[in-house]
Amino acid sequence: KQEVTQIPAALSVPEGENLVLNCSFTDSAIYNLQWFRQDPGKGLTSLLLIQSSQREQTSGRLNASLDKSSGRSTLYIAASQPGDSATYLCAQSPGNTPLVFGKGTRLSVIA
Amino acid sequence: GAGVSQSPSNKVTEKGKDVELRCDPISGHTALYWYRQRLGQGLEFLIYFQGNSAPDKSGLPSDRFSAERTGESVSTLTIQRTQQEDSAVYLCASSLGLGQPGGNEQFFGPGTRLTVL
Repeated sequence: KQEVTQIPAALSVPEGENLVLNCSFTDSAIYNLQWFRQDPGKGLTSLLLIQSSQREQTSGRLNASLDKSSGRSTLYIAASQPGDSATYLCAQSPGNTPLVFGKGTRLSVIA
Repeated sequence: GAGVSQSPSNKVTEKGKDVELRCDPISGHTALYWYRQRLGQGLEFLIYFQGNSAPDKSGLPSDRFSAERTGESVSTLTIQRTQQEDSAVYLCASSLGLGQPGGNEQFFGPGTRLTVL
């Protein structure tokens, strides 16, 4: 059974810092990996989707990478802002199937 | 454009009552998913619909849970004889579906917060 682990569980950084969130998965036979943001009491917002044939995706200050051989993905946030404070979730699926989620990293960016 | 919508946004019910939660996916999305997020836990898959295929019900925690989908539109998740352990946020997602470029990217609704007293 696929398991997704996110480290750290919580992270607090000062505004302006670059940071990396980590995601690892037990089964390298993934079809796609998706990073989400969840604000308190809200649903999930899709940030980046990496297909299995891709190694990274970029959107603005966000960059996500995928290394299937090591079973890892990272989300890099450049020049963090207080508005980036949220829980970041990593999820993967072996096909066009339900996602398996990690428990998330709760990020606080301090002004 | 319109995203995934869910109703109600909040539902408080008494133990033993039945509840229905509704999801309206993005128009044209053939795949629809239900997940549950209990307090302090990760998201758990419940059920998945893809077009006219038989749904994948492998995530439903008990026979008190069921879901229906009308064609490729609205879905209803029903929980019968609710228990306190059913308290959670129920999230619905949709995607373009099989064979579509980027078809497996899932878009989520805001969720329904269910509280069973």
